[in-house]
Amino acid sequence: AQSVTQPDIHITVSEGASLELRCNYSYGATPYLFWYVQSPGQGLQLLLKYFSGDTLVQGIKGFEAEFKRSQSSFNLRKPSVHWSDAAEYFCAVGPYNFNKFYFGSGTKLNVKP
Amino acid sequence: GAVVSQHPSRVICKSGTSVKIECRSLDFQATTMFWYRQFPKQSLMLMATSNEGSKATYEQGVEKDKFLINHASLTLSTLTVTSAHPEDSSFYICSALWGNEQFFGPGTRLTVL
Repeated sequence: AQSVTQPDIHITVSEGASLELRCNYSYGATPYLFWYVQSPGQGLQLLLKYFSGDTLVQGIKGFEAEFKRSQSSFNLRKPSVHWSDAAEYFCAVGPYNFNKFYFGSGTKLNVKP
Repeated sequence: GAVVSQHPSRVICKSGTSVKIECRSLDFQATTMFWYRQFPKQSLMLMATSNEGSKATYEQGVEKDKFLINHASLTLSTLTVTSAHPEDSSFYICSALWGNEQFFGPGTRLTVL
C-alpha cells in the first residue's frame, strides 16, 4: 500500500536552531518525492522535489532534503530556522506521471523567539 | 507564474443546498487538475482527478454524484458539492498539473450549517 508517514505532528524549535522533519514512505514503484509548506490562507508551496540523481536536494528558503532508499525516508532539514518558517509541512510521494500524490499528515512547526 | 486561484475562499451554506467551488489556473493551461479534501490536523486526501474534456476519475469512497467535477476548459475546473450536509464541512483544495509539478490553490473553507 502507498503511504507517507510524518511521525511528528508538532515540532517547536528556537529561532536559529537546526531543524529536521521526518518523512517515511511506502510506495510500490519508483517514488517521486516532494516537500510542501502550507501557511495559513495560502496554497501549498513546493519546497523541493526528488526524482533521481543526487540524493541530497536543495530547495527554496534554505531547505534541503536527503533521499535514503534503504530507509524509505526523505527527511527535510534546515541549518538555521527563521521565525518566518513557522508553518505546516507536508511530505508527498507520487508516480512518474504525477497523477496521484499521497500526502503525509503534516508536521506543524513552531519557532520560538 | 504558475498561479492557481480558488473561489470562493470561504462559504457557509445551509444543509441541503449545493455549493460550487471554482479552481482556475491563471497563467498556464492545465490539462489535469486535482481536488483534495483536508480535515483538521489531517493530510490532504485526493478526491478526484479532473481531465479537461473528459469525466473525472474519483478515488475510492468518494461519491461522484455528490461531488460533481467539471473541467470544461484548460484553465477552469469546478467542484460542486450537491445537497451538502454538515459532514461535508471541510477544507477543499485544488491543484493544477503543469509539467512535472502540481500547483495548489489557496483552498476553500466550506461550512455547512
